[in-house]
Amino acid sequence: DIQMTQSPSSLSASVGDRVTITCRASQIINSYLNWYQHKPGKAPKLLIYSASSLQSGVPSRFSGSGSGTDFTLTISGLQPEDFATYFCQQSYTSFSWTFGQGTKVEIK
Amino acid sequence: EVQLVESGGGLVQPGGSLRLSCAASPFTVSPTFMSWVRQAPGKGLEWVSVMYSGGNTYYAASVKGRFTISRHNSENTLYLQMNSLRVEDTAVYYCATATRPGAGFDYWGQGTLVTVSS
Repeated sequence: DIQMTQSPSSLSASVGDRVTITCRASQIINSYLNWYQHKPGKAPKLLIYSASSLQSGVPSRFSGSGSGTDFTLTISGLQPEDFATYFCQQSYTSFSWTFGQGTKVEIK
Repeated sequence: EVQLVESGGGLVQPGGSLRLSCAASPFTVSPTFMSWVRQAPGKGLEWVSVMYSGGNTYYAASVKGRFTISRHNSENTLYLQMNSLRVEDTAVYYCATATRPGAGFDYWGQGTLVTVSS
């Protein structure tokens, strides 16, 4: 299986901050990388697909970049509703998808 | 908008069985596949099983031989039959679907909790 490693595992930030989360794959996955936001008790929400494409309805302050093995999710101007856990996921290998361990974004 | 609603979770003893259901509102775009993903307490997300629109099914190694995914097309319902449950199967189980191949799970349910404990 392809291992996905996120960093940091948690971070504290203030409203308005620029936040960057990284995800590294254990092998090359081209641009088959997706990012999700997850709040307790809610359904996970797809934010970014194919490394850099913004899912419909997602605010433009969210952006993704990278290819190969190294990827980044950036939140430009953190909003109160953005405090959540973020997961990356590789979709390079069909029916063997794997997720990162998550990054919890907390209020400073 | 697509809505997925899971049900069927609960408390079960090790070795027991449970069947989860995922009721989907009518899709405006046919999904490429429908899948189950779980999250154990304090852990990350783990893909469990998938059924493609053509009927092919696949399983994670951790559940292969114990779990069976199926669907009832006319009722727009996906199922996960879980047998020989283990303590480590304790998790919130999510139903998720993808309408674009290779582009992530674009619709998710809110999950149903399965607790395996004696």
